[in-house]
Amino acid sequence: DGGITQSPKYLFRKEGQNVTLSCEQNLNHDAMYWYRQDPGQGLRLIYYSQIVNDFQKGDIAEGYSVSREKKESFPLTVTSAQKNPTAFYLCASFSGGALGSYNEQFFGPGTRLTVL
Amino acid sequence: DAKTTQPPSMDCAEGRAANLPCNHSTISGNEYVYWYRQIHSQGPQYIIHGLKNNETNEMASLIITEDRKSSTLILPHATLRDTAVYYCIVRPSSGSARQLTFGSGTQLTVLP
Repeated sequence: DGGITQSPKYLFRKEGQNVTLSCEQNLNHDAMYWYRQDPGQGLRLIYYSQIVNDFQKGDIAEGYSVSREKKESFPLTVTSAQKNPTAFYLCASFSGGALGSYNEQFFGPGTRLTVL
Repeated sequence: DAKTTQPPSMDCAEGRAANLPCNHSTISGNEYVYWYRQIHSQGPQYIIHGLKNNETNEMASLIITEDRKSSTLILPHATLRDTAVYYCIVRPSSGSARQLTFGSGTQLTVLP
């Protein structure tokens, strides 16, 4: 089955530690995205990548870093510089191209990060 | 990017139709209306999208007003599993999904 996987589903870290969240897709999508969601809020874009070895900052990139060495993978590192890292993190991919019924964003199941 | 306005919450009786409104008065000619939903602690799920004609699929119907300034998502026979946050989004017809902006959405609660 094609889809997006994120691991782990729940992650706990001590304050001041960097942590990397995994995102893998086997949909052959060029574009991948990381969003952050806080309780009762919508999604906010952290970083996105439209092609391998290229990525751009989203609306709230400070304290985060990403890499895109492979088409299938787009890991997100939450650094100690991120002041409020506790949140629900969602990875997504997008097929791009002409708009149609298959051009929606596909989302992973999310990782809930709690910094103690 | 065009912004959307949705009521923060709605209730619906199980088996009845759920009608979720969305205002997008600043929508431009090349922007589509998309609907997603997010069940608690899961990733958002695509429901339906449209440009100016009404659309229907196995999940829902989308009614877009003639002036395209508002739309309504209709779940014809709501079930308890339809309880979720529903997001109305407008985005351009081409290019990346960079412009996909999720607001706070509408929390739909289907009551038994």
